Amino acid sequence: EIVLTQSPGTLSLSPGERATLSCRASQSVRSSYLAWYQQKPGQAPRLLIYGASSRATAIPDRFSGSGSGTDFTLTISRLEPEDFAVYYCQQYGSSPPWTFGQGTKVEIK
Amino acid sequence: EVQLVESGGGLVQPGGSLRLSCAASGFTFSSYAMSWVRQAPGKGLEWVSGISGSGDDTYYADSVKGRFTISRDNSKNRLYLQMNSLGAEDTAVYYCAKGRGGYSYGGNDYWGQGTLVTVSS
Repeated sequence: EIVLTQSPGTLSLSPGERATLSCRASQSVRSSYLAWYQQKPGQAPRLLIYGASSRATAIPDRFSGSGSGTDFTLTISRLEPEDFAVYYCQQYGSSPPWTFGQGTKVEIK
Repeated sequence: EVQLVESGGGLVQPGGSLRLSCAASGFTFSSYAMSWVRQAPGKGLEWVSGISGSGDDTYYADSVKGRFTISRDNSKNRLYLQMNSLGAEDTAVYYCAKGRGGYSYGGNDYWGQGTLVTVSS
């Protein structure tokens, strides 16, 4: 089983600032099959990034993903008020289970 | 418009059973893999089970293997999760989620609103 470790656990930033979230895998993620989701309280997760760097439909270009192998990053270039939420990475490249990271909370400073 | 609507959650006693259903619309259901993902209260996301578009391939997390069964009825555009021998650790919101291809079990682009399963005496 691939274990995903996200850091930091909580990121305290102000609107307009840049957010950099990390997701590290315990072994290489095949074909960069790594996704990022955003979840707000009481809502279902929303797909932001798939294939490590491809933005999902209707996702603003301030969200970008990068990385390969075992190290992946989600960057939010300039935080908007609606971006404060919890973010999860998920790997889906190897055999099951297709695991999630434990999440990073982006909160208003 | 893609829609996924879960139903079937509720309160069940330890050791009991429950069947979740997910009604899909707005896309060619049989062409896409589907997954169930759960979230315990205040916790993170946990992938539970996945099924290919044809229904021929099924996969389970170790935590539910042997107790849960995923299935689909492509003629009715419905996804199911039969849950047996439920324990307190199964208490969670259960989401159904659409894959982006027939064999894609992650990078899920559409999610239902979730249905709450509570296991308690």
